[in-house]
Amino acid sequence: QSVLTQPPSASGTPGQRVTVSCFGSSPNIGKNPVSWYQQLPGMAPQLLIYNDDQRPSGVPDRFSGSKSGTSASLAISALQSGDEADYYCLAWDNSLDFCVFGPGTKVTVL
Amino acid sequence: VQLVESGGGLVQPGGSLRLSCTASLFNLNNYWVTWVRQVPGMGLQWVANINQDGSKKYYVDSVRGRFTISRDNTQNSVFLQMNSLRAEDTALYYCSSAIAAADSLWGQGTLVTVAS
Repeated sequence: QSVLTQPPSASGTPGQRVTVSCFGSSPNIGKNPVSWYQQLPGMAPQLLIYNDDQRPSGVPDRFSGSKSGTSASLAISALQSGDEADYYCLAWDNSLDFCVFGPGTKVTVL
Repeated sequence: VQLVESGGGLVQPGGSLRLSCTASLFNLNNYWVTWVRQVPGMGLQWVANINQDGSKKYYVDSVRGRFTISRDNTQNSVFLQMNSLRAEDTALYYCSSAIAAADSLWGQGTLVTVAS
């Protein structure tokens, strides 16, 4: 069982807003920053969000991150077909003393 | 600017492999480096990381005692020595510099297959 949990799938139509959640606990999301990664089919992952809500340069502002307590969220607004991918959250766990990924959420554009 | 992993291949259970992660056109010495693996069709698993001078190293429980992460800043490279390999270590292994920072970079991965 994953330390971080994510819904296995999410979907929306082009132009809609989709939210992906990541649920953790006090030793991980509750005390450490969360980052989010996008993995397009057949490609290496790439960073979308770091430090809960910061976007690296080059990442469109349609992607935004937030955190409250022991859960974090990634929002994708104005959904596009090119956003179809797997999305993973990542956080350090103070009890385990290593980093953990969520199991991933597959976003489908209908 | 890129990271390139190498050293993957087919190895028998109980065998060893050494993966390399080499940076091109930037100084890897300035960054924490992380190894992440992914069984084809499955999710990402964080494996190990190392700080800039190699004094801090962390491992996921399932590889601690079998895998060793190290770096050679003169070669601009980070390594993952994998011993006592098991079938469940079969995966695509990625390296990433600054995995959770603004200038995060990932390589394209090297495939490790543990089978007899």
